[in-house]
Amino acid sequence: DAGITQSPRHKVTETGTPVTLRCHQTENHRYMYWYRQDPGHGLRLIHYSYGVKDTDKGEVSDGYSVSRSKTEDFLLTLESATSSQTSVYFCAIRPGQNTEAFFGQGTRLTVV
Amino acid sequence: KQEVTQIPAALSVPEGENLVLNCSFTDSAIYNLQWFRQDPGKGLTSLLLIQSSQREQTSGRLNASLDKSSGRSTLYIAASQPGDSATYLCAVSSGTSYGKLTFGQGTILTVHP
Repeated sequence: DAGITQSPRHKVTETGTPVTLRCHQTENHRYMYWYRQDPGHGLRLIHYSYGVKDTDKGEVSDGYSVSRSKTEDFLLTLESATSSQTSVYFCAIRPGQNTEAFFGQGTRLTVV
Repeated sequence: KQEVTQIPAALSVPEGENLVLNCSFTDSAIYNLQWFRQDPGKGLTSLLLIQSSQREQTSGRLNASLDKSSGRSTLYIAASQPGDSATYLCAVSSGTSYGKLTFGQGTILTVHP
């Protein structure tokens, strides 16, 4: 397995609370991504990073922010969780933009 | 906007059968296409990556082809086994890239003994 660790693996939180998901890699890869997976929508890109402190929005970025202060860590924050953010969140990494992508095991987030 | 479609949505076959999964994309200006496997409740496992300049890639019983001009890729699985049962996803990198992937909805494959 590619050296990707997502934490927590499962979380239940209440509407309106802030939540931070962590993606940690041991591969020193430049590119990191956050996707969410929902029935009927498949996997969609939330945010991505192409270097330390270099991030940009994806297709479904509203309500989410990210930070990357170190190569190995990419944090996804839900500032005020809503029920529509109940989903499975996947982190992915790539050494280069045209190389193979590797995914973490996912974080199942439930907002009640 | 790139759109990726996978057909069929679900497929059930007997063990030993050869099968083909299809993936189509609307914008042929892709950098590469990647096939993944996802088991229930698990992450995505990369199967094959095809660069836009390549026609096919092989790994064991898997063979993926790419016809960029027609916007299509196929994943061929030879001599299917019950352990091949999973959801198969294709994804393309295109546009401004940075390695961003656009995914299809997947094909749920069941191989029964």
